[in-house]
Amino acid sequence: DAGVIQSPRHEVTEMGQEVTLRCKPISGHNSLFWYRQTMMRGLELLIYFNNNVPIDDSGMPEDRFSAKMPNASFSTLKIQPSEPRDSAVYFCASTLSGLYQETQYFGPGTRLLVL
Amino acid sequence: AQSVTQLDSHVSVSEGTPVLLRCNYSSSYSPSLFWYVQHPNKGLQLLLKYTSAATLVKGINGFEAEFKKSETSFHLTKPSAHMSDAAEYFCVVRTIPNSGNTPLVFGKGTRLSVIA
Repeated sequence: DAGVIQSPRHEVTEMGQEVTLRCKPISGHNSLFWYRQTMMRGLELLIYFNNNVPIDDSGMPEDRFSAKMPNASFSTLKIQPSEPRDSAVYFCASTLSGLYQETQYFGPGTRLLVL
Repeated sequence: AQSVTQLDSHVSVSEGTPVLLRCNYSSSYSPSLFWYVQHPNKGLQLLLKYTSAATLVKGINGFEAEFKKSETSFHLTKPSAHMSDAAEYFCVVRTIPNSGNTPLVFGKGTRLSVIA
């Protein structure tokens, strides 16, 4: 299995531009999570989906952030407009939910720099 | 709410000596606990997990952790450090135990340095 795939791996953009991060979960997994990692706040949940439905988006910082999961094999996280404080590493993770399917598998992350 | 506290932000050991990374948890019920490792500029890899089975959990690369309910601890150990173990280690708790489709809560991380 290819694992969780994220693109792009690195993104440099200017303040005010729209940024779209992409994630392809492991085939067959039905839960998908977006996390953000910063020096100040560590790793924190932004939003997660079960069976393509958003369950909890309370971690999304503000209205500039939005996430979608149009089908079981694809999700996007969009920032519009981007700001320098959005600079971080964004991780996508997926899992197959079930009593003993505990492991979340993480993608390599997208390193975002907003100038 | 579930939470974890990693007691050391940085641990430095010599190659070949034991590793101890400390983690305390706070949970209303029997937790699901994990240790993840992140090598520089890499993603997160699961080292091991505790999900209410054996209290001593063995993971990859010679790491193990012991769940101690009386101490609310889940410390990570390895008998002999290797240079390749240098990385950031995260103690993690699931928001709802034994429920794979719920989020993880991460500790602040412990950076392990290994000196030759």
